[in-house]
Amino acid sequence: KNEVEQSPQNLTAQEGEFITINCSYSVGISALHWLQQHPGGGIVSLFMLSSGKKKHGRLIATINIQEKHSSLHITASHPRDSAVYICAVRMYSGGGADGLTFGKGTHLIIQP
Amino acid sequence: KAGVTQTPRYLIKTRGQQVTLSCSPISGHRSVSWYQQTPGQGLQFLFEYFSETQRNKGNFPGRFSGRQFSNSRSEMNVSTLELGDSALYLCASSLGAAEQYFGPGTRLTVT
Repeated sequence: KNEVEQSPQNLTAQEGEFITINCSYSVGISALHWLQQHPGGGIVSLFMLSSGKKKHGRLIATINIQEKHSSLHITASHPRDSAVYICAVRMYSGGGADGLTFGKGTHLIIQP
Repeated sequence: KAGVTQTPRYLIKTRGQQVTLSCSPISGHRSVSWYQQTPGQGLQFLFEYFSETQRNKGNFPGRFSGRQFSNSRSEMNVSTLELGDSALYLCASSLGAAEQYFGPGTRLTVT
């Protein structure tokens, strides 16, 4: 079982729709990252969260540490938001914090 | 500030050969992490270095190794290449355990 689960795996929506991508994890973490990857491979870090909520432009990320769950929201979606969105967590281990563990990604397509 | 750079961008090698990939972090960033991305396994963590010390290592065989130099530049090496090592190798730099900035990646094809 993957330690980081994302849903949905694929999402197609119309321009302007409100988008939600979910991420659940199974162990204690020190931080959660939301990443965006466009075709061609380039990865951009959108957010790093350890608690609460962050907003950047049309993107909002929330995390609930007790429920081990995070959501990424996109308001007023646009075709340029089409990309793969990846959730990654930094878990605690005996020696401190581990390297990042990644979800499988959510492939988002926004149609005009 | 210049972003994270990786060289080479594309590489074709033959089974059994070895390869060295290079990563130059953003100026001032002392932490460098390496990741492997394949269609089947997705993104997986390889190593993390901070001030020339390996802090973490992912679940990869000993054929995968890395190092970091005093100027924070990092290299990773894969020996005795296998077909399954074909992947996009990404490095990312950060100020400690903060937000990571990714390079464009090196696409390695093993034939």
